[in-house]
Amino acid sequence: QSVLTQPPSVSGAPGQRVTISCTGSSSNFGAGYDVHWYQQLPGTAPKLLIFRNNNRPSGVPDRFSGSKSGTSASLAITGLQAEDEADYYCQSYDGSLNAFYVFGTGTKVTVL
Amino acid sequence: EVQLAESGGGLVQPGGSLRLSCAASGFSVINSYMTWVRQAPGKGLEWVAVIYSGGNTDYADSVKGRFIISRESSKNTLDLQMNSLGAEDTAVYYCARNDLWSGYYFEQWGQGTLVIVSS
Repeated sequence: QSVLTQPPSVSGAPGQRVTISCTGSSSNFGAGYDVHWYQQLPGTAPKLLIFRNNNRPSGVPDRFSGSKSGTSASLAITGLQAEDEADYYCQSYDGSLNAFYVFGTGTKVTVL
Repeated sequence: EVQLAESGGGLVQPGGSLRLSCAASGFSVINSYMTWVRQAPGKGLEWVAVIYSGGNTDYADSVKGRFIISRESSKNTLDLQMNSLGAEDTAVYYCARNDLWSGYYFEQWGQGTLVIVSS
């Protein structure tokens, strides 16, 4: 079961700003491990969107931004576009016994 | 260009075995941390196993003792031997390369291969 909790869905009109929360614990975010985000478009493999809290790989628009504070993290999408409609997952490393790499529960972003 | 391509998925009966392979290009699997992640139909992502550049391995509790992750340097492939399969193992299986700096996230992903466990 996922140890990182995300809202099941968020929605917004084109051009709006939406945020996705990711709640962790003392064994992952609270232990200093970074948050990373992936975008999964319908029927495709996940793609790295944000790494080490707030860094974008080459080619990812600056409309996407990330942050982390304490045991929580968030992903913001500004200027929402139709092509942003996808599932988004946060991910971290967990130092508790046998947890290793952990994913969030996933959030479906719908563009109205 | 870094590319990953999984193969070997298919329909297998409960209790059976299947071997997945992931062909890598543009880099050496031996020098990277390599990971398998799976996604059950309509569900989220689940980390399965990792093999470190030194050859050590770690597994999720859900597959420990049943799955074996390995790599073949001559073919530059990552493999996943899956035994004692159950319905709960039905999923798309993705191979991924961990980032080269910390190993804590997944920089590149393959397209996935579907495994269905059913009689």
